Amino acid sequence: EVQLLESGGGLVQPGGSLRLSCAASGFSFSTYAMTWVRQAPGKGLEWVSEINSSGGSTYYADSVKGRFTISRDNSKNTLYLQMNSLRAEDTALYYCAKVLHGGDAFDIWGQGTMVTVSS
Amino acid sequence: DIQMTQSPSSLSASVGDRVTITCRASQGISNSLAWYQQKPGKAPKFLLYGASSLKSGVPSRFSGSVSGTDYTLTISSLQPEDFATFYCQQYYSMPYTFGQGTKLEIK
Repeated sequence: EVQLLESGGGLVQPGGSLRLSCAASGFSFSTYAMTWVRQAPGKGLEWVSEINSSGGSTYYADSVKGRFTISRDNSKNTLYLQMNSLRAEDTALYYCAKVLHGGDAFDIWGQGTMVTVSS
Repeated sequence: DIQMTQSPSSLSASVGDRVTITCRASQGISNSLAWYQQKPGKAPKFLLYGASSLKSGVPSRFSGSVSGTDYTLTISSLQPEDFATFYCQQYYSMPYTFGQGTKLEIK
C-alpha cells in the first residue's frame, strides 16, 4: 500500500524551529518528486515547497523562502521540511504529498502533522 | 503568480443532482489543472489531472472539462459520499496555486 506518514509537528514559540519528516512506503520513493502543502485552520490549501527526485532541485513559496528548507534522504525513503524563524502565520496542518510523474499534480497525500506557532 | 478563482464558494445540492464547480485561471495554464476532494478532518484526495483525466479508481460520475481559462469539475449524479470541499490546483508554473475551495453541502 502506498503510504505517507508525517511527523514532527508541535507547539513552538515565534522565532523557533521545527523539522518535519514524511516517511514514504509502498512506492519507489527515489524516482518521484515530493512536495509539502499546508492548510491553516479553517482555510484552504497552500503549496509550500517541492523537491525533485534526486534532491538536486528545490522550490519554495515566497512566504517561506529563506526560512524553510526541503530535503530528502532516498536511502531512508524520507522527506523533510526544516522550518526556521517560525511565525504565527505558519500555524497550519502540514501535508506531504507525492508528485505525479509527467505533471505536478499531487496524487498521494499523508494525513498531515500540525504545527502551532504561539507564545 | 497565477490566480485561481473558484466558484461558487459553497453549494447546496441533493443526492442525484448534477453539479458543476468552476475555476478560472488568471492566465493560460495549458490544461495543467488538478482537482481534489477533501472531507472534514481528512487529507485531500486526488481526483483528476490534466483538466480531464480521471485518476484510476475515481467514479466515472466525476469529470473535468475546459473552455479557454475556465476549468470545470462536474459530478453527474451526486452520491451521499460526495459531499465535501473541492479544490482546483494549477501546476503550470510555480508557485503552484489552489482555488479557494467549494464546499458542497446536502440540501
